[in-house]
Amino acid sequence: EAQVTQNPRYLITVTGKKLTVTCSQNMNHEYMSWYRQDPGLGLRQIYYSMNVEATDKGDVPEGYKVSRKEKRNFPLILESPSPNQTSLYFCASTPRVGRDTNTGELFFGEGSRLTVL
Amino acid sequence: SQKIEQNSEALNIQEGKTATLTCNYTNYSPAYLQWYRQDPGRGPVFLLLIRENEKEKRKERLKVTFDTTLKQSLFHITASQPADSATYLCALPFSGGYNKLIFGAGTRLAVHP
Repeated sequence: EAQVTQNPRYLITVTGKKLTVTCSQNMNHEYMSWYRQDPGLGLRQIYYSMNVEATDKGDVPEGYKVSRKEKRNFPLILESPSPNQTSLYFCASTPRVGRDTNTGELFFGEGSRLTVL
Repeated sequence: SQKIEQNSEALNIQEGKTATLTCNYTNYSPAYLQWYRQDPGRGPVFLLLIRENEKEKRKERLKVTFDTTLKQSLFHITASQPADSATYLCALPFSGGYNKLIFGAGTRLAVHP
């Protein structure tokens, strides 16, 4: 089954304790992205990756890191989490992006709800 | 800067009626626009894409229009059902490049029996 898998789905942690949210897709997509979703603010992009070893900042990258060593995996790293990073996080992928892309539809994971105390 | 606006207030309609959701954007001329459905606590699911040279697109009970002059897209669900209750998001590719989609905050639709 084609899917984007995120782990953990739920996590409660404390300020400053490093954590990693994993994301894996089995569709051989080139493009992957992380979003956070907060009430009233909608989905905001954190980081994206056009392909292996190619990552770039989105709109809200502060406090986050990513890596793309393999095509299927795109982990999100919070080196020193703070309470303002409490949010619902989504990983997404798509075959490619561009003006003439066929659909550009994003395939989303089920989300990871993170609480930082 | 680019801005996407969707009605923040929930839309409540009666089963069987047509639901119409609005997506307005400013300072931008996107090549396409997408609509997604999101259920509570779940990831968004792609519904439809409409390109700048298409006025209208249909998929089963869904219809999307794209008016590049008004900078507006309308999303219609005909013969609505309680199962259509969800939040609907519109998304456009970023004007500075097509490396990212920018999402509206979404409109919650509630269809009552």
